[in-house]
Amino acid sequence: AQSVTQLGSHVSVSEGALVLLRCNYSSSVPPYLFWYVQYPNKGLQLLLKYTSAATLVKGINGFEAEFKKSETSFHLTKPSAHMSDAAEYFCAVSDRGSSASKIIFGSGTRLSIRP
Amino acid sequence: EPEVTQTPSHQVTQMGQEVILRCVPISNHLYFYWYRQILGQKVEFLVSFYNNEISEKSEIFDDQFSVERPDGSNFTLKIRSTKLEDSAMYFCASSVPGTGVTEAFFGQGTRLTVV
Repeated sequence: AQSVTQLGSHVSVSEGALVLLRCNYSSSVPPYLFWYVQYPNKGLQLLLKYTSAATLVKGINGFEAEFKKSETSFHLTKPSAHMSDAAEYFCAVSDRGSSASKIIFGSGTRLSIRP
Repeated sequence: EPEVTQTPSHQVTQMGQEVILRCVPISNHLYFYWYRQILGQKVEFLVSFYNNEISEKSEIFDDQFSVERPDGSNFTLKIRSTKLEDSAMYFCASSVPGTGVTEAFFGQGTRLTVV
């Protein structure tokens, strides 16, 4: 069964500092991996996705993530945090072998930005 | 930009009552999903739907739940007799099949409160 584990339910960084949100996956087949963001009282918005085309994936709002098969990781980074980045971030995995693949979400990491 | 729309944004219902949550997926999408997020917890898969039938369902999706695509545009989730523990944010999502990644687009969610 596929799963993702997000390390740290809450991360707090200063404005302008590096953001690093950790995600490790478990999958018996090459996975599709995603990062979604949920702003307060909003829905889920796709930040970026890994599809095997490139191991370093760039997303919206300056975020990027690197797929490392040897470490089964897909950590999300942003060089310089902005106050508007405060939100809940979900790492997710999908089975690439199925057309109607469900997405399995991690437990989420709440990102807080200190002024 | 096409988007998944959900109505209502917030629904309050009495325990034991039936509730129908409505979704309009993106028009050319063929796969439809319902997820739920209990307050403070992860987003959980409920059910996927394709070609007018359920493709997959989780253990959460018991006999109290049903899904339907009553016409060419709507996709509904019915809870027959709501329980307090059904209180959650319910997300609808849709995707289009193809050779690429199964990227699901999520609606803004319906917050269901069972009292």
